[in-house]
Amino acid sequence: GAVVSQHPSWVICKSGTSVKIECRSLDFQATTMFWYRQFPKQSLMLMATSNEGSKATYEQGVEKDKFLINHASLTLSTLTVTSAHPEDSSFYICSARDLGGANTGELFFGEGSRLTVL
Amino acid sequence: QKEVEQDPGPLSVPEGAIVSLNCTYSNSAFQYFMWYRQYSRKGPELLMYTYSSGNKEDGRFTAQVDKSSKYISLFIRDSQPSDSATYLCAMTTGGGNKLTFGTGTQLKVEL
Repeated sequence: GAVVSQHPSWVICKSGTSVKIECRSLDFQATTMFWYRQFPKQSLMLMATSNEGSKATYEQGVEKDKFLINHASLTLSTLTVTSAHPEDSSFYICSARDLGGANTGELFFGEGSRLTVL
Repeated sequence: QKEVEQDPGPLSVPEGAIVSLNCTYSNSAFQYFMWYRQYSRKGPELLMYTYSSGNKEDGRFTAQVDKSSKYISLFIRDSQPSDSATYLCAMTTGGGNKLTFGTGTQLKVEL
């Protein structure tokens, strides 16, 4: 299957600082990438849809000024958690859809990035 | 009522058992159905992908979709300890639309 890479896999930061997480599609191009958040023993919650060359679409209840998304190219999307607080500690996962295949909805996920805010 | 319902488990089975994992859903517009496996502290890994109703087999895994009942299943034959993980069902109405996930079922295969 297609490969999606996330970096960093684990980050610890102080409260009030900003953290950037990168999501790359390694062997395919993706005009759309998705950012999810997952709390322990819970399912994935879609935060936003990242669109290459345009603004991200945020789900209801997700603060766009706190979770900045940039989709600079067909293979890279970044999520920046601004002024992070302990309640932002979570597992953030990105996913992407391969444009080259049939438009079937099949999504490939990155390995996830664990954020711990002290 | 959630759009997708999935029993969270945990489900514990002996090695070699046949495992049945299920999801029900309420949105009849869902057309594409997926099963993901997620190990602890890792991103989900796509296991099976099915379009509309029917069965699909891949090695020890079989996915079934019954759209008339709004019910999907994943069967794992000859289960192994390495199958111990959380299994998430996911579905979408179309290729460009977002996925809706179940809560995931935690599976433990014991020696």
